[in-house]
Amino acid sequence: DAKTTQPNSMESNEEEPVHLPCNHSTISGTDYIHWYRQLPSQGPEYVIHGLTSNVNNRMASLAIAEDRKSSTLILHRATLRDAAVYYCILKRNDYKLSFGAGTTVTVRA
Amino acid sequence: DTAVSQTPKYLVTQMGNDKSIKCEQNLGHDTMYWYKQDSKKFLKIMFSYNNKELIINETVPNRFSPKSPDKAHLNLHINSLELGDSAVYFCASSQDRGTGEAFFGQGTRLTVV
Repeated sequence: DAKTTQPNSMESNEEEPVHLPCNHSTISGTDYIHWYRQLPSQGPEYVIHGLTSNVNNRMASLAIAEDRKSSTLILHRATLRDAAVYYCILKRNDYKLSFGAGTTVTVRA
Repeated sequence: DTAVSQTPKYLVTQMGNDKSIKCEQNLGHDTMYWYKQDSKKFLKIMFSYNNKELIINETVPNRFSPKSPDKAHLNLHINSLELGDSAVYFCASSQDRGTGEAFFGQGTRLTVV
């Protein structure tokens, strides 16, 4: 499985933006970049995904580097409910989501 | 209306017992999965079924056997439970294998004593 590297943890203040980096230097041309998050005591939840272009949805934005070797998940205004573990995953066309250790996001009130 | 539902939510059992965890999805998806999250919080895929056929079978002991009676259900049966089987087990489903997002259940916390 192609590997991603994320910081272990990040802290943010409520209502401020959060930028979560992810490095994936071994990404192949057909790998999609997926982000999931896991709130405490819940199952993982899909956040966003992209291939080459930047993507926006109601939860977050995904900025993908031009060489695709890194990406950044942007939470525009963090709330206490955004405290979770965020996983950056390279998904191939093979049914499998391979989770790493993720980034634990703490939001301060 | 819960998209992916698992039962039971909690399961405490003794070593050596046999137990099952049930999963149902009402999203009309073709693919279902079982993941295991251990005490260190790593999520690992165990099995995947597509239209009732097994397509992913990671290195999981033979004591674990998935069964898919139809494409909306994927159950996990575990024989001769061991202490190391204690974990949270998540069921998930997705429409396709490529770009589609996966939907996860709330998890079943299995404790073997």
